[in-house]
Amino acid sequence: SQQGEEDPQALSIQEGENATMNCSYKTSINNLQWYRQNSGRGLVHLILIRSNEREKHSGRLRVTLDTSKKSSSLLITASRAADTASYFCATGATGRRALTFGSGTRLQVQP
Amino acid sequence: DAGVIQSPRHEVTEMGQEVTLRCKPISGHNSLFWYRQTMMRGLELLIYFNNNVPIDDSGMPEDRFSAKMPNASFSTLKIQPSEPRDSAVYFCASSLQGSFLDSRPSYEQYFGPGTRLTVT
Repeated sequence: SQQGEEDPQALSIQEGENATMNCSYKTSINNLQWYRQNSGRGLVHLILIRSNEREKHSGRLRVTLDTSKKSSSLLITASRAADTASYFCATGATGRRALTFGSGTRLQVQP
Repeated sequence: DAGVIQSPRHEVTEMGQEVTLRCKPISGHNSLFWYRQTMMRGLELLIYFNNNVPIDDSGMPEDRFSAKMPNASFSTLKIQPSEPRDSAVYFCASSLQGSFLDSRPSYEQYFGPGTRLTVT
């Protein structure tokens, strides 16, 4: 079963607005990663946050992690039409090399 | 860097036929992952290799699926015989992982473009 579950499943916003996606997970993790998938393409790594970190920034991306609530959020500021894609969270656990991916959030940014 | 290379990009075959999907990971990466993506089940890990050795194949659906990694630069995923329910996009990903003693065992993965398999 998918450990990470994204919320919402789909999100439609206007260009220039901020987009927030949430991810919840069930077991202990070592790190949490966010990936983007454009239609018909493979996943692209966006950002990694470790379990001892609370917030991380990369360009227009801001990720938070709350291990007490087993949740993470991805904020995309000043969205662009090119940000239209599906976004997945993936969790990594100590002793397990493989990641567990969530079901994804489909983001549509209207120009 | 060419990234992860997968072939073929599209495969259409009839039920019962053998299908072989191929993957070339990024040079220098020591871990390779095979995933399957469908609308119904999302992205599922099938198997992953570390230093060419299969580590976890618990995601392989059944005996019809097999995967090999004969060397660090090549892996195959074979389905024999194929069935319509195997229709999906199959992704290969590679990563540079530290040792199990490393406090960060999971690193970012680099995905290939995928193979879209249709079994009729």
